[in-house]
Amino acid sequence: QITLTESGPTLVKPTQTLTLTCTFSGFSLNTFGVSVGWIRQPPGKALEWLGLIYWDGDKRYSPSLKSRLTITNDTSKNQVILAMTNMDPVDTATYYCVHCTNCLLLGVAYWGQGTLVSVSS
Amino acid sequence: QSVLTQPPSVSGAPGQTVTISCTGGSSNIGATYDVHWYQQLPGTAPNLLIYGDNYRPSGVPDRFSGSKSGTSASLAISGLQADDEADYFCQSYDSTLSSWVFGGGTKLTVL
Repeated sequence: QITLTESGPTLVKPTQTLTLTCTFSGFSLNTFGVSVGWIRQPPGKALEWLGLIYWDGDKRYSPSLKSRLTITNDTSKNQVILAMTNMDPVDTATYYCVHCTNCLLLGVAYWGQGTLVSVSS
Repeated sequence: QSVLTQPPSVSGAPGQTVTISCTGGSSNIGATYDVHWYQQLPGTAPNLLIYGDNYRPSGVPDRFSGSKSGTSASLAISGLQADDEADYFCQSYDSTLSSWVFGGGTKLTVL
């Protein structure tokens, strides 16, 4: 059974760096073809893909946010970490961690419950 | 402004059929990248409803169906039920952006 759980601060100040941790179980990020990604959703708005990290360490980021994002993994802890710099109130959103296997063909079947992050001074 | 365009809202009476469109372009849906659909109930994470244009994951009722033609895709929901009330999002990949892309979402109201 695949589960993912996001954790991190619920409130950050403008210009600060957000760090979120995705702790997962039921799969290994060392397995060929597996990746873990991040998607966010501002309140009442659409989903936005942020990026993902592949089993081989390769990473892909949203072009519009690439300069602010870093995704890393700690396979010993079954964790993936998202860091987003220079936070702004427009970054207020629920941030979801997702499991991905060939997601371009199969979609995203496994989502974390999401964590709401507010950006305010 | 989302890369994929969906109507903000649709509605239908119980038992009816509704269709939600998802319009893209030549670098995403038109480039034959697969389209996926998600249902999001209030306060919950999205749930995969259709993948690969028209395949249903295990457990999804056959009242839900997907199709694709040219630069557009559609989600059809037949035999509308009250608990179908939710937000629905389409998703694909864009080769120009090298990015996953989502539609703006459609709120379904069951009258």
